[in-house]
Amino acid sequence: DGGITQSPKYLFRKEGQNVTLSCEQNLNHDAMYWYRQDPGQGLRLIYYSQIVNDFQKGDIAEGYSVSREKKESFPLTVTSAQKNPTAFYLCASRPGTGIYEQYFGPGTRLTVT
Amino acid sequence: KQEVTQIPAALSVPEGENLVLNCSFTDSAIYNLQWFRQDPGKGLTSLLLIQSSQREQTSGRLNASLDKSSGRSTLYIAASQPGDSATYLCAGDTSGGGADGLTFGKGTHLIIQP
Repeated sequence: DGGITQSPKYLFRKEGQNVTLSCEQNLNHDAMYWYRQDPGQGLRLIYYSQIVNDFQKGDIAEGYSVSREKKESFPLTVTSAQKNPTAFYLCASRPGTGIYEQYFGPGTRLTVT
Repeated sequence: KQEVTQIPAALSVPEGENLVLNCSFTDSAIYNLQWFRQDPGKGLTSLLLIQSSQREQTSGRLNASLDKSSGRSTLYIAASQPGDSATYLCAGDTSGGGADGLTFGKGTHLIIQP
């Protein structure tokens, strides 16, 4: 089955530790995105990548880092510099130029204590 | 900076009713608009995409429209069912090419009473 996978579904970390969230897609999509969702809030864009080895900051990139070494993978690292890391993180992808529909993964819920 | 407002924030109706969810943008320069459904603790499921050259899209009991002049979109759900209970999110692409990510509203939490 084609789709977007995010692992793990739940993640727990101690404050001060970096943590990496996985996002993999087998849809052959060019563009990939990371969003953050807080209770009662809409999604906010963290980082996005339109092609391999290239990515741009979104609205709330501070305290996060990404890489795009392979087309199918777009991992997100939540660093200790992120002041409020506890949230639901969603990865999405889009086919490419001229095709606008975004598809989402199941999400990872990160809890930092 | 683009902001998206969804009204109402929550809605509870009996099964079988037709209903309308609203979405408005502070900047009417919207190129594409997408409606999503989110079940508790889950990712987003795409419902409808209205591309820049379109005014509405239909899928089954769902119809979405976009009025760019006013920066408003509506999602119409006909003959609602308990399985329609979820949070509905609208999101707009203001970059023109669809590459820069979407701007989301906070959602409408919908409950359909059996």
